[in-house]
Amino acid sequence: AQSVTQLGSHVSVSEGALVLLRCNYSSSVPPYLFWYVQYPNQGLQLLLKYTSAATLVKGINGFEAEFKKSETSFHLTKPSAHMSDAAEYFCAVSRNNDMRFGAGTRLTVKP
Amino acid sequence: GAVVSQHPSWVICKSGTSVKIECRSLDFQATTMFWYRQFPKQSLMLMATSNEGSKATYEQGVEKDKFLINHASLTLSTLTVTSAHPEDSSFYICSARPSTSGFSYEQYFGPGTRLTVT
Repeated sequence: AQSVTQLGSHVSVSEGALVLLRCNYSSSVPPYLFWYVQYPNQGLQLLLKYTSAATLVKGINGFEAEFKKSETSFHLTKPSAHMSDAAEYFCAVSRNNDMRFGAGTRLTVKP
Repeated sequence: GAVVSQHPSWVICKSGTSVKIECRSLDFQATTMFWYRQFPKQSLMLMATSNEGSKATYEQGVEKDKFLINHASLTLSTLTVTSAHPEDSSFYICSARPSTSGFSYEQYFGPGTRLTVT
């Protein structure tokens, strides 16, 4: 079975500070990993995905994530937070048809 | 490209009535569609996988007689919540996988439908 665990249900950073959202995965086979962002009352927007190519994945809005097999991690980072980054972020793993989501991390950006 | 729509985006219904939610892939064909539900401040939980022309596969704990899924065409899947009750109030999100995609992971998500049962 595959799953992801997001450490920290709520992360708060100051505008301009580093954003780090943590995700660890569990999978018996090489996984496909994703980060999605969700704004209130909206669907999911794909930020980036790892599909066994380059381990450092660059996404939209300045986000990137690094796949570390030794740590079974896929943490999401952004060098400088912007107020518009405030949202809910979900890590997800997919293999063999379906997708499983982490519990989500709410990012708050303080002015 | 790869746009998925849902209709309605928001619906209120009375307890005991049924409500149908549509999920459409607008610019691609989708052999497989997925239905998720999301409670406030919680994650998405997969309810069922819908394959065109065949019966949906429901996740454990999801009542198939309550949540009827029909995937009658390659661009449309519907979720009908039958005899809705207040505890069915939730945000329902669908996703679709392009029929031409060779990647099992590829899914495109709809904007969601908020259901409120009074």
